[in-house]
Amino acid sequence: AQTVTQSQPEMSVQEAETVTLSCTYDTSESDYYLFWYKQPPSRQMILVIRQEAYKQQNATENRFSVNFQKAAKSFSLKISDSQLGDAAMYFCAYRRSRGSQGNLIFGKGTKLSVKP
Amino acid sequence: DAGVIQSPRHEVTEMGQEVTLRCKPISGHDYLFWYRQTMMRGLELLIYFNNNVPIDDSGMPEDRFSAKMPNASFSTLKIQPSEPRDSAVYFCASSLTARGGNEQFFGPGTRLTVL
Repeated sequence: AQTVTQSQPEMSVQEAETVTLSCTYDTSESDYYLFWYKQPPSRQMILVIRQEAYKQQNATENRFSVNFQKAAKSFSLKISDSQLGDAAMYFCAYRRSRGSQGNLIFGKGTKLSVKP
Repeated sequence: DAGVIQSPRHEVTEMGQEVTLRCKPISGHDYLFWYRQTMMRGLELLIYFNNNVPIDDSGMPEDRFSAKMPNASFSTLKIQPSEPRDSAVYFCASSLTARGGNEQFFGPGTRLTVL
């Protein structure tokens, strides 16, 4: 079974600085997708960025980028120029690319605090 | 589009009572997912539907939980009888397909407290 592990329960960053959140996963599949979701205090789950396993190029979305290391099964999220609005829980998630199982498998999350 | 709509946003009930959570997916989405979030277990899938048909209910904890999707625009998750350990945030999500990188759009969640 696939598993997702986020080893940092909490992280803190100074406003305008850069922070990296870690995620590792375990799968025997070769084709899959990885996601980072943000959950602010409002509880709303918001997609931050996604990565296709067959693409070597790391995904980027404005201040958010990933470091995808397929062989190491590592998928970290880098937030540059951190803003107060980035404070939230961040969840790493995995989904198979094929087959009928379309649900997301989530890590336990990392709580990010941003200090002004 | 208004996004995924869930009701109620908060529910407080007493042990033994029946609880019904409701979800309206985004129009045109073929897949609907119910997740539960707790501090201990994190976010976990309960059940998901494709074109109103349940595909995988292996995450439903026990017979006290049931879910239905009578049409493409409405789904319910029912707990009967409820227990204090059912206290959690329940999320509904929908997507166009279940494969690949298609985004799952989440509702705001229902916070359930069972006393």
